[in-house]
Amino acid sequence: DTAVSQTPKYLVTQMGNDKSIKCEQNLGHDTMYWYKQDSKKFLKIMFSYNNKELIINETVPNRFSPKSPDKAHLNLHINSLELGDSAVYFCASSQVASGGTDTQYFGPGTRLTVL
Amino acid sequence: DQQVKQNSPSLSVQEGRISILNCDYTNSMFDYFLWYKKYPAEGPTFLISISSIKDKNEDGRFTVFLNKSAKHLSLHIVPSQPGDSAVYFCAAISGGSYIPTFGRGTSLIVHP
Repeated sequence: DTAVSQTPKYLVTQMGNDKSIKCEQNLGHDTMYWYKQDSKKFLKIMFSYNNKELIINETVPNRFSPKSPDKAHLNLHINSLELGDSAVYFCASSQVASGGTDTQYFGPGTRLTVL
Repeated sequence: DQQVKQNSPSLSVQEGRISILNCDYTNSMFDYFLWYKKYPAEGPTFLISISSIKDKNEDGRFTVFLNKSAKHLSLHIVPSQPGDSAVYFCAAISGGSYIPTFGRGTSLIVHP
């Protein structure tokens, strides 16, 4: 009955490879997000999708491409991985009400290590 | 440019005592604030929030105080329990947005 799930939990790969991280939420939320937690521990928004449409795309290299096949899934594909991409990536979801202050529910994170 | 600052990376407290976690912000457009709690190898989970029209919100052992003039909020946990040991993230949202800006977190350790 996991609310927001991510796979894989750990990902170790070589520089230059392409990899994907999958995210699924069973909360019926209409908005999903990808965050990156870097070595300085800040959680920074990367993307936000509302009903399968890209809403927010922060300053992220175009090697990162989110894909939302339906509103319950938001996958993150990363091309040509670099050392600096090593981080923990969190998926999250929320139901964006008119007030815009709905709580975000986070997945457990995917720790990506690029060697 | 850190708009949400948690200047204490860690805090150690004795069980039963009060834990006070602090957060400062610079953006005067922030009007909604949240605290998230994170255990190792898990994602952050929502703990408590406060709107800028209030100066206090209480939920059981957790109370958040907001001082708008000082652009400061704090989370009080009373009494602290060992299970409260976690990283606590402060987050803020500005009007019209639904994306929070997070601080870097404070690691709380509650000793038995």
